[in-house]
Amino acid sequence: EAGVTQSPTHLIKTRGQQATLRCSPISGHTSVYWYQQALGLGLQFLLWYDEGEERNRGNFPPRFSGRQFPNYSSELNVNALELEDSALYLCASSSYHRSDWRGGQETKYFGPGTRLLVL
Amino acid sequence: AQSVTQLDSHVSVSEGTPVLLRCNYSSSYSPSLFWYVQHPNKGLQLLLKYTSAATLVKGINGFEAEFKKSETSFHLTKPSAHMSDAAEYFCVVSGSPGSARQLTFGSGTQLTVLP
Repeated sequence: EAGVTQSPTHLIKTRGQQATLRCSPISGHTSVYWYQQALGLGLQFLLWYDEGEERNRGNFPPRFSGRQFPNYSSELNVNALELEDSALYLCASSSYHRSDWRGGQETKYFGPGTRLLVL
Repeated sequence: AQSVTQLDSHVSVSEGTPVLLRCNYSSSYSPSLFWYVQHPNKGLQLLLKYTSAATLVKGINGFEAEFKKSETSFHLTKPSAHMSDAAEYFCVVSGSPGSARQLTFGSGTQLTVLP
């Protein structure tokens, strides 16, 4: 079974440009999560999509946005890039069980990441 | 609210000796706890998870962790380190209401295995 895939693996942009990162979840998973791993800041939650809707977002400005498509794949868009946006962006997917109302027990599977460099 | 503290930013062991990576958590409810490993320039791989079943959890590659509620700890251990274990390890908590199913990561522990 294929795991979570992300593209591109590396992306180089300049300040002010826009970046688009893509994620394909494991087949059957409806939830997609985005995390940012910046040097010195650890792993920070960015966005959560489930069934095509944004369910929650972390403490990031609105220029970080995204969407989830009917096939459950997802895009993360970062507008007006700043130098500090340079990071590894990780996508994870999981299968949401409504009986798990606190949502903590599901396993989230991570992709290899997209390394974004802003010059 | 939930949080997790990894007590050591770096751990260095010799090949063949035991590994202990320490993790303490804070959670308003019974948490789910995970350990993930990240090899250089790679994504995160799940090692093991605890979800209120057995308190001693066995994972892949010989790793295990014990959930101790009284100590709010979830330390990761391995009896004998291998060179391929060198990586960064993250302790992760999930499941607190209001955290909307996102994972809260510890700051990571870099494990070095010496020959």
